Amino acid sequence: GENVEQHPSTLSVQEGDSAVIKCTYSDSASNYFPWYKQELGKRPQLIIDIRSNVGEKKDQRIAVTLNKTAKHFSLHITETQPEDSAVYFCAARLFGNEKLTFGTGTRLTIIP
Amino acid sequence: GAVVSQHPSWVICKSGTSVKIECRSLDFQATTMFWYRQFPKQSLMLMATSNEGSKATYEQGVEKDKFLINHASLTLSTLTVTSAHPEDSSFYICSARRGSSGSTDTQYFGPGTRLTVL
Repeated sequence: GENVEQHPSTLSVQEGDSAVIKCTYSDSASNYFPWYKQELGKRPQLIIDIRSNVGEKKDQRIAVTLNKTAKHFSLHITETQPEDSAVYFCAARLFGNEKLTFGTGTRLTIIP
Repeated sequence: GAVVSQHPSWVICKSGTSVKIECRSLDFQATTMFWYRQFPKQSLMLMATSNEGSKATYEQGVEKDKFLINHASLTLSTLTVTSAHPEDSSFYICSARRGSSGSTDTQYFGPGTRLTVL
């Protein structure tokens, strides 16, 4: 089955700086990679996703890059703000499969 | 669009009782729903995949007879924790898959249910 590793487990950045979270996946047949943001005690919310037919996707301050050869994908948050503080989870889904395999999460703290 | 609700948001029960949690997709039909369990400061652990009109597919190590899942319609799935014990206390989250293929195929999560078993 698919295995997803996520790094770092915790990340602190100064407000206004950029944050990068990286994930690697094991199965080259994975073709869908979403990122979720979860605030304490709340639901995971989809913030951006990317499919294997593109290498990069951007939505305002958030971007995701995908390197299929290396089997890794990254979340980039620019101009960070205090409200970006949360736990971020990456995930991967195998082609033809319904299940998402989640990474272990990154606790991002934005320092004012 | 793509709103998933979950009820109740929290529940406290006595050991040995059963608890039912409902998951609804409010503005779309979900052929597939998923049930996760999340321990504090940990990732989401998939318990089972629920397809409308058929039996749920449970992940390895999840007791089918303890965690009963029913997916009666395209907008409702229920999880019943039977004979609950303190070790079942956790945050249970459902998600619903919108779309079966293509660019709309995405999972949306419910707000979660915090179960505390005394």
